[in-house]
Amino acid sequence: ETGVTQTPRHLVMGMTNKKSLKCEQHLGHNAMYWYKQSAKKPLELMFVYSLEERVENNSVPSRFSPECPNSSHLFLHLHTLQPEDSALYLCASSQGPSGVNTEAFFGQGTRLTVV
Amino acid sequence: GQNIDQPTEMTATEGAIVQINCTYQTSGFNGLFWYQQHAGEAPTFLSYNVLDGLEEKGRFSSFLSRSKGYSYLLLKELQMKDSASYLCAVTDSNYQLIWGAGTKLIIKP
Repeated sequence: ETGVTQTPRHLVMGMTNKKSLKCEQHLGHNAMYWYKQSAKKPLELMFVYSLEERVENNSVPSRFSPECPNSSHLFLHLHTLQPEDSALYLCASSQGPSGVNTEAFFGQGTRLTVV
Repeated sequence: GQNIDQPTEMTATEGAIVQINCTYQTSGFNGLFWYQQHAGEAPTFLSYNVLDGLEEKGRFSSFLSRSKGYSYLLLKELQMKDSASYLCAVTDSNYQLIWGAGTKLIIKP
């Protein structure tokens, strides 16, 4: 139990589907992140929320849409994805924004396959 | 550009010692993290270095040389459960975390 819970663990969706990934943290942290992890590539930061406000959007395509309704919950809404979007999507939280000398706690990820 | 380099894969024997290297070129430096990630699981924090030298934590140690842009993770008395990927990440001058692609460590009996 890492304190960060992601659902679903696995998701297969068609290119015309709409789905959402959910992340919940029980650690009282004020920053939450979405990362994309592809095989043999570095973790790619997608979005950062600090105190429920988006502070970073690393040129992510608009087919990915984040939502942070409160400091404990983070969503990633997906629509009209492409096969190259297939990857492991990791949610993380930390006490401060980015890597301000505080470790990030990760969820177990959602393995997404776009067909 | 910013870059973190670490070997893609390493193999070691149970009971032995292995050193995983990480070199970085970043715009500024505010600390270096090592994470462990077992297949299909979340990355978990192992160590943090911000000053030069060696930080020891049980069987794991992490070393940093800021002048060389270099760190290593040393694992002693290897156990089969140490088979995992090891991720190196550096915090740059803007406190952005820059990640390496990870080193997959395979432990053989």
